[in-house]
Amino acid sequence: DAKTTQPNSMESNEEEPVHLPCNHSTISGTDYIHWYRQLPSQGPEYVIHGLTSNVNNRMASLAIAEDRKSSTLILHRATLRDAAVYYCILREGGSGSRLTFGEGTQLTVNP
Amino acid sequence: DTGVSQNPRHKITKRGQNVTFRCDPISEHNRLYWYRQTLGQGPEFLTYFQNEAQLEKSRLLSDRFSAERPKGSFSTLEIQRTEQGDSAMYLCASSLVTGENEKLFFGSGTQLSVL
Repeated sequence: DAKTTQPNSMESNEEEPVHLPCNHSTISGTDYIHWYRQLPSQGPEYVIHGLTSNVNNRMASLAIAEDRKSSTLILHRATLRDAAVYYCILREGGSGSRLTFGEGTQLTVNP
Repeated sequence: DTGVSQNPRHKITKRGQNVTFRCDPISEHNRLYWYRQTLGQGPEFLTYFQNEAQLEKSRLLSDRFSAERPKGSFSTLEIQRTEQGDSAMYLCASSLVTGENEKLFFGSGTQLSVL
């Protein structure tokens, strides 16, 4: 499985935008970029995914670099409920056999 | 509640005992996954089913671990002769695969403590 690199932790203030980076320099042409997050005492939750173009949904936006070697998850207005561990995952073909989680980024949101 | 349901939420057992966990996926989801998570780490893949067929098993899944998904509905994960190193959160997820888009829906997990 292709690997991703994320900062261990990040902090943000409530109602401010948050940009969570992910490096994936060994990404292959068929790898989709998936983001999941895990709130305390819960299982992971799907956030967004994309292949080449930037993607938006009600939860977040995903900005993918032109060379696809990095991406950024954007939370437009952080709330206290967004405090979680955010995982950036590469997945072959979008619906490959598994998601391989790394250690993710612990996001702290300050009131 | 139409989410993924896992039972029990917590299980405390003595070393050497057998334990079994149950996962009820979202209705009509054709894939079911088992993951294990220890404190401070991301979830680790254990195995997954497509309908009733077990298609992949991780090398982490020793002979003491067995999973079933009879009739492609609920699934059970059994651990025989538990060891202290088996203490972890066991997560189940299900999905409906349509083309190249697959979103996993996770349950809240079963927390296993082996004394």
